[in-house]
Amino acid sequence: DQQVKQNSPSLSVQEGRISILNCDYTNSMFDYFLWYKKYPAEGPTFLISISSIKDKNEDGRFTVFLNKSAKHLSLHIVPSQPGDSAVYFCAAIKNGATNKLIFGTGTLLAVQP
Amino acid sequence: KAGVTQTPRYLIKTRGQQVTLSCSPISGHRSVSWYQQTPGQGLQFLFEYFSETQRNKGNFPGRFSGRQFSNSRSEMNVSTLELGDSALYLCASSPKSGGGGSPLHFGNGTRLTVT
Repeated sequence: DQQVKQNSPSLSVQEGRISILNCDYTNSMFDYFLWYKKYPAEGPTFLISISSIKDKNEDGRFTVFLNKSAKHLSLHIVPSQPGDSAVYFCAAIKNGATNKLIFGTGTLLAVQP
Repeated sequence: KAGVTQTPRYLIKTRGQQVTLSCSPISGHRSVSWYQQTPGQGLQFLFEYFSETQRNKGNFPGRFSGRQFSNSRSEMNVSTLELGDSALYLCASSPKSGGGGSPLHFGNGTRLTVT
């Protein structure tokens, strides 16, 4: 049962344009959603998170939007840079005494110079 | 501050053997979680330790086990290795367990190959 889904395995964007990465979830008990970026041969790096009580969180070039009624979130990167090329994972966590993250399968973003 | 350190980076083992992987969390972090990454299954939660106690366990067979020491360092052990255990094993640390607002910090992983 895939509770967190990233339906686009890959995305290609021109440098300077907007990158939009999407994520859907099925479990309404999730309290926080996080985005991680991963380069080959490295561990995931935390990018940005959003609480389920908010609908938007912004940090520099990165903005995450949450639509709870649609059980959908998206990560916007503006402007996109070649160094943003990586695999992006969406993850969710339920409130409680645990750090168990449920990850999506990832989207490979390629930013073309 | 030093990041999460995992050793070794690469490991090759034969079916039936056992393996122990090590993780040193960021200083002051008391929660250590382990994840398995494979091409087919993505990132899957193995278990989490906090103050030497297992807080949660993922859906993996009993061949996968772990422990945490009083200095928060953690080890995971896989016994009777199978070909399907070939994966990148990632360790992550956090100051606390639960709450969601404190993101996990990952190490660079141990790449295990079982032949």
